Amino acid sequence: SQTIHQWPATLVQPVGSPLSLECTVEGTSNPNLYWYRQAAGRGLQLLFYSVGIGQISSEVPQNLSASRPQDRQFILSSKKLLLSDSGFYLCAWRKFSGDFSRPTNEAFFGQGTRLTVV
Amino acid sequence: ELKVEQNPLFLSMQEGKNYTIYCNYSTTSDRLYWYRQDPGKSLESLFVLLSNGAVKQEGRLMASLDTKARLSTLHITAAVHDLSATYFCAVEGESGYALNFGKGTSLLVTP
Repeated sequence: SQTIHQWPATLVQPVGSPLSLECTVEGTSNPNLYWYRQAAGRGLQLLFYSVGIGQISSEVPQNLSASRPQDRQFILSSKKLLLSDSGFYLCAWRKFSGDFSRPTNEAFFGQGTRLTVV
Repeated sequence: ELKVEQNPLFLSMQEGKNYTIYCNYSTTSDRLYWYRQDPGKSLESLFVLLSNGAVKQEGRLMASLDTKARLSTLHITAAVHDLSATYFCAVEGESGYALNFGKGTSLLVTP
């Protein structure tokens, strides 16, 4: 079965410090990978998604960046955190259909990282 | 710009009552997804609706999709406290890869 791991679960970082959040998926290959952010009491904002190694699509201009160094690894980074970067960060994966058509399955989410920038 | 609008955003209802949550979207997508989020937790998939007229039911929840109207509904029957959570709908963007969420409906079921 497929599982998704995301860490750390909670993080408190000072303004201006760097950030690295990691997400890995097990039990599947060539997944589509996603980073979302949920601000307190608000909906989910899609930050980045990736359809393959080294392929990153950015949905919202930020001081954040994403990388996919391996097939099942997705990393969210920042060089200098802002107060507004605080939130609940969620990694998700979707199964790739295998025939280059659109994925047909729902997204499965990791447990999330609660980031507080102070 | 793709829009996914849910209403209501907040809903307080008594146990045993029925209610419907609405999800309107602006794309031509024929797929729609419903998720549940408990406080402080991640998202859990509830329903996957893959075509016009699709209807799925699980316990006291039933979801339907009308792609012509670009509308999905999540109907709650005889609500119980355990259904208290935030419910999100999501649709694919034009590329088919990005999954875009509504703002969520926070449901509170009271005795």
